[in-house]
Amino acid sequence: DAGVIQSPRHEVTEMGQEVTLRCKPISGHDYLFWYRQTMMRGLELLIYFNNNVPIDDSGMPEDRFSAKMPNASFSTLKIQPSEPRDSAVYFCASSTGRLDVFNYGYTFGSGTRLTVV
Amino acid sequence: LAKTTQPISMDSYEGQEVNITCSHNNIATNDYITWYQQFPSQGPRFIIQGYKTKVTNEVASLFIPADRKSSTLSLPRVSLSDTAVYYCLVGEGHSGYSTLTFGKGTMLLVSP
Repeated sequence: DAGVIQSPRHEVTEMGQEVTLRCKPISGHDYLFWYRQTMMRGLELLIYFNNNVPIDDSGMPEDRFSAKMPNASFSTLKIQPSEPRDSAVYFCASSTGRLDVFNYGYTFGSGTRLTVV
Repeated sequence: LAKTTQPISMDSYEGQEVNITCSHNNIATNDYITWYQQFPSQGPRFIIQGYKTKVTNEVASLFIPADRKSSTLSLPRVSLSDTAVYYCLVGEGHSGYSTLTFGKGTMLLVSP
């Protein structure tokens, strides 16, 4: 298994531009999570999906952020318009959802480092 | 969600055993305790999880006392490559779904 795949690895964009981050979860994982990491705020959960349906988006900072999961193998996080304060590393993670001794928790992707100038 | 408290940083030397303790006083009956490791420029990686008593795998051991209000991650004979941030989290595991809230973690620095 190739793990959770995120693209691009790095993104530099100008303020006001639209940014789209992509994620391919592990096959068979029915939960998908988007996190954002900054030095100041650490790792923040933005939104998560179960069976492609958004369950909790209370962590999404504002209306400029949107996330979709059109099918079980693909999700996007879009920022429109982007602002310098959106600069962070964005991680996607997937899981079977159950925390038990036979499960291995969340599997994170390598992240997308976003810089908005 | 149960809040966790752990030291901001720890220092150690190669070959030593490192114990990182996490407090989670308001842990719920259904909560599991999970530890993650994060290297720079990488996503967090699952290390170990448990519910009570002791759990051991090829990487670490996790000690959980009977009251479950704290837990200790034990890394035997650390090496330079164990330098990372270690996160303690608690999350529900029985209802079929869970979300994990990451705190600041413990920055472990292993020196030669």
